[in-house]
Amino acid sequence: VQLVQSGPEVKKPGESLKISCQGSGYAFTSDWINWVRQMPGAGLEWLGRIYPSDSFTNYNASVQGHVIMSVDKPSNTAYLQWNTVKASDTAMYFCARHRGSGPALTWGQGTMVTVSS
Amino acid sequence: DIQLTQSPSFLSASVGDRITITCRASLAINTYLAWYQQKSGKAPKLLIYDASTLQSGVPSRFSGSGSGTEFTLTITSLQPEDFGTYYCQQLNSYPLSFGGGTEVEIK
Repeated sequence: VQLVQSGPEVKKPGESLKISCQGSGYAFTSDWINWVRQMPGAGLEWLGRIYPSDSFTNYNASVQGHVIMSVDKPSNTAYLQWNTVKASDTAMYFCARHRGSGPALTWGQGTMVTVSS
Repeated sequence: DIQLTQSPSFLSASVGDRITITCRASLAINTYLAWYQQKSGKAPKLLIYDASTLQSGVPSRFSGSGSGTEFTLTITSLQPEDFGTYYCQQLNSYPLSFGGGTEVEIK
């Protein structure tokens, strides 16, 4: 069972961005994919979750309207995207697999996003 | 939203010591609490869930207890590989939330 995330990104403010998280070794549509942010030198922040079977989502109010979570079932891939990134989006982003309301059983390796002019 | 407060934020201890980390919730969360260990820049690792259930493969020197609003993570006989930052996470209600973290240093 693993989640493999896309590579590091460097963007300018105002650009769009989409990072990915591909699951393997389990029934991708049966478990939630959660996204967690870690800003430089800071703790963990839960951004939201998506259920791949029907794309139902819950977002943290802190990012609602700024990020979009989606999935592509044929490729077992979840996505986190921004239409317009800001410098404050600079962070490491982790995806994590949760079964129902349980804890994060599996984590991706993280995608570092740097937004700088 | 539920806030989690961890203490201490930093802890320095010797190999073989027993250490305890506390996590307090702003509202009662039953036993819907997990503990993770993170080593710098890497993905967190699940240690404990449902407040006291040891995740498969995690050494038995790790244990968790508590319910309602107060929880503890205890490491008996600290080992060199136990350095890192420990986070609690509440799974009772959305948005999910993490504690601020406790950095553990091996003296």
